[in-house]
Amino acid sequence: EVQLVESGGGLVQPGGSLRLSCAASGFAFSSYWVTWVRQAPGKGLEWVANIKQDGTETYYVDSVRGRFTVSRDNAKNSLFLQMNSVTAEDTAVYYCARLNTATYDFDYWGQGTLVTVSS
Amino acid sequence: QAVLTQPASLSASPGASASLTCTLRSDINLATSAIHWYQQKPGSPPQYLLRYSSDSDNQRGSGVPSRFSGSKDGSANAGILLISGLQSEDEADYYCMIWHRSAYVVFGGGTKLTVL
Repeated sequence: EVQLVESGGGLVQPGGSLRLSCAASGFAFSSYWVTWVRQAPGKGLEWVANIKQDGTETYYVDSVRGRFTVSRDNAKNSLFLQMNSVTAEDTAVYYCARLNTATYDFDYWGQGTLVTVSS
Repeated sequence: QAVLTQPASLSASPGASASLTCTLRSDINLATSAIHWYQQKPGSPPQYLLRYSSDSDNQRGSGVPSRFSGSKDGSANAGILLISGLQSEDEADYYCMIWHRSAYVVFGGGTKLTVL
């Protein structure tokens, strides 16, 4: 069974840092692009970042580029999102998801982890 | 102007059909774009519904009922998610998505579908 489990969310002060993790199981993690998508409270979905199978290519939404870094450890079947210089606008549930490269859809999602930026 | 625009809400009756639109910004070519649709229920992550590029190039996600289908309206530069035979369980938020400039993903703002 494919599973994606996020962790690392919590309360962080403006300007602070946080590192999110996503533990993958039930599939060959190293064979898939994976992504982070976030959802602010009561708002819609916003794509955050993608990372290629071997980590050599990464892409970010403009609002986080230069502040967030996506990475992965294929040996540990894990995806990460390092969040620096956070602002209140980064408050959201952060989901990790797997990209199905046959359809270019995100076919499996984790349950999400909540990040709250507040003083 | 947003890349993808969806109406904020839509209401329809059980058993009826609902047509959810996703309008692409005018500089984006609908003909060469695949429109992806996701359903999200409260407290749950999004679930992949289907991808529609053309009548000969489209796919529903695993387990997605055939009541859900996609199409395009070239005159409106819009992708459409059609849900027929509406059921109460279809009440949810629906998001369209495209791949923009090859490697970037854009979601529409979402449509809240009420079945009443």
